[in-house]
Amino acid sequence: KQEVTQIPAALSVPEGENLVLNCSFTDSAIYNLQWFRQDPGKGLTSLLLIQSSQREQTSGRLNASLDKSSGRSTLYIAASQPGDSATYLCAVNQAGTALIFGKGTTLSVSS
Amino acid sequence: DADVTQTPRNRITKTGKRIMLECSQTKGHDRMYWYRQDPGLGLQLIYYSFDVKDINKGEISDGYSVSRQAQAKFSLSLESAIPNQTALYFCATSEGGTGFNEQFFGPGTRLTVL
Repeated sequence: KQEVTQIPAALSVPEGENLVLNCSFTDSAIYNLQWFRQDPGKGLTSLLLIQSSQREQTSGRLNASLDKSSGRSTLYIAASQPGDSATYLCAVNQAGTALIFGKGTTLSVSS
Repeated sequence: DADVTQTPRNRITKTGKRIMLECSQTKGHDRMYWYRQDPGLGLQLIYYSFDVKDINKGEISDGYSVSRQAQAKFSLSLESAIPNQTALYFCATSEGGTGFNEQFFGPGTRLTVL
């Protein structure tokens, strides 16, 4: 059974720092991996989608990488801002099912 | 206007009541999903539908049923609500086709069962 783990569970950084959020999965037979952002009590906003054949995707200050063979993905956030404070969720899409989610990393960026 | 909408946004009900949560989308996507989110447990799949005539159970379907009334509408029912169904419920959509595409989520429905 596919399991998705996100480390750390929580992270606090000062404004301006570059940071990396980690996601690992146990079964490398995935179609794609998606990173989401969730603000407290709100819905999920899709940040980046990486297909299984891709190594990375970039959007603004965000860069996500995928190493399917080792079962790892990272989300790099450059020059963090207080507005980046949220919970970041990683999810893998495995054939025949919908998304399988990690429990998230809660990020707090202080000014 | 939001592409994926959910009604109601908040609902408080009592044990044993029948509840329906509704989801509508204007993205023209074939595939729709229902997830629930519990604190500390992440999101779990309840049901999904790849087109109007297709309904599939997810990992936690017991106690729930769904109806895909049209391409744009997918409703989730709790036939007899119980307190451990208190959670945040999300609807999501994605394109059809041969691949598995990006999923887009609605704002969520916060359900409390007393």
